[in-house]
Amino acid sequence: DQQVKQNSPSLSVQEGRISILNCDYTNSMFDYFLWYKKYPAEGPTFLISISSIKDKNEDGRFTVFLNKSAKHLSLHIVPSQPGDSAVYFCAASDTGANNLFFGTGTRLTVIP
Amino acid sequence: ETGVTQSPTHLIKTRGQQVTLRCSSQSGHNTVSWYQQALGQGPQFIFQYYREEENGRGNFPPRFSGLQFPNYSSELNVNALELDDSALYLCASSLDVGFDQPQHFGDGTRLSIL
Repeated sequence: DQQVKQNSPSLSVQEGRISILNCDYTNSMFDYFLWYKKYPAEGPTFLISISSIKDKNEDGRFTVFLNKSAKHLSLHIVPSQPGDSAVYFCAASDTGANNLFFGTGTRLTVIP
Repeated sequence: ETGVTQSPTHLIKTRGQQVTLRCSSQSGHNTVSWYQQALGQGPQFIFQYYREEENGRGNFPPRFSGLQFPNYSSELNVNALELDDSALYLCASSLDVGFDQPQHFGDGTRLSIL
């Protein structure tokens, strides 16, 4: 049972435009959410996170939005750059239960 | 600052064998987590160790076990290997216990079961 879902396996965006990556979850106990980026042959690297007490968190070109009622979060990258091309994983945690669940990832390709 | 390192990078085993994977935490980190990533999937949480004690476990059978040492390095042991254990195994360290903070991942050990 996949508790965190990334329904778009891939996304292509022109350089300079906005990239929007989506993530849905089913467990209402999740209270902390993170995005990781992964390049081939490397481990995931942390990108940005958000607590369930917020609905937006921004860090430079990256913004994460959380809609708790819809159990949905999204990652916005503006402007997109070719170096952003990677697989992006959404992750969610029930911090009380000390667990972490990842989605299946979305491969972003930024076209120069 | 030394990052998370894992060894070996690749490993081939046969069904029924046992394997030990190793991980050195990033300097200053006292918590280690292990993940299994099958092809085309996201990482799946196996367990987390904090101060040498298991502190949280995912849906994995007891034949997956771990250790954390006083220097915060860690081992993942898998007994009675099965074909489905073929995957990338990722280790991640963090400053403290729990998942409400960034984890720093190693590049993984690719385990193939024949």
